[in-house]
Amino acid sequence: EVQLVESGGGLVQPGGSLRLSCAASGFTFSSYSMNWVRQAPGKGLEWLSYISSSSGTIYYADSVKGRFTISRDNAKNSLYLQMSSLRAEDTGVYYCASGQGSSLYLSGYSYMDVWGKGTTVTVSS
Amino acid sequence: QSVLTQPPSVSGAPGQRVTISCTGSSSNIGAGYDVHWYQQLPGAAPKLLIYGNSNRPSGVPDRFSGSKSGTSASLAITGLQAEDEADYYCQSYDSTLISVVFGGGTKLTVL
Repeated sequence: EVQLVESGGGLVQPGGSLRLSCAASGFTFSSYSMNWVRQAPGKGLEWLSYISSSSGTIYYADSVKGRFTISRDNAKNSLYLQMSSLRAEDTGVYYCASGQGSSLYLSGYSYMDVWGKGTTVTVSS
Repeated sequence: QSVLTQPPSVSGAPGQRVTISCTGSSSNIGAGYDVHWYQQLPGAAPKLLIYGNSNRPSGVPDRFSGSKSGTSASLAITGLQAEDEADYYCQSYDSTLISVVFGGGTKLTVL
């Protein structure tokens, strides 16, 4: 069964850091691009970041550029999101999702076919 | 303010047909980029519903269909069922932002 399981969420103070993980199973992780998407409480989906299958291409949303870092370890079938300088507006549920359309770069065909259940991040003092 | 515009809510009675629109611009849908749709049931993670404008993943009922024309796309749901009550999101790619973009989401209520 194809599965993505996020972990690492929690309560963090403004200005703090947190590292999210996403464990993949049931598919050849190293062949697929991966994404992070978040959802603020009561709000819609917001794409955050993309990493290609070999980590050669990375993109970020303007809202997190310079503060968040996406990475992956294909040997461990794992995806990561290092978050720093956290703000209250970063509060929400963070999903990892496998990418389709292109494993090398974001394109007009890109979409997300498998999603994890999410991990909750709360930024508050 | 989302790059793609969706109506905040739609509703319909069981058995009826509803459509959800998704309007973009010349840098995303109008540029010919694909539109994809996701369903998010209450308290659950999003699920891929339609990809590549009109393709259904395995297991998605054929009551769900997608189309695209110009700078807009639509999701149609026929034979509405109570379990279709969810939030629906469109998604595309924007060449100006070099980013994946989502619509703001549409809450479907089955009356």
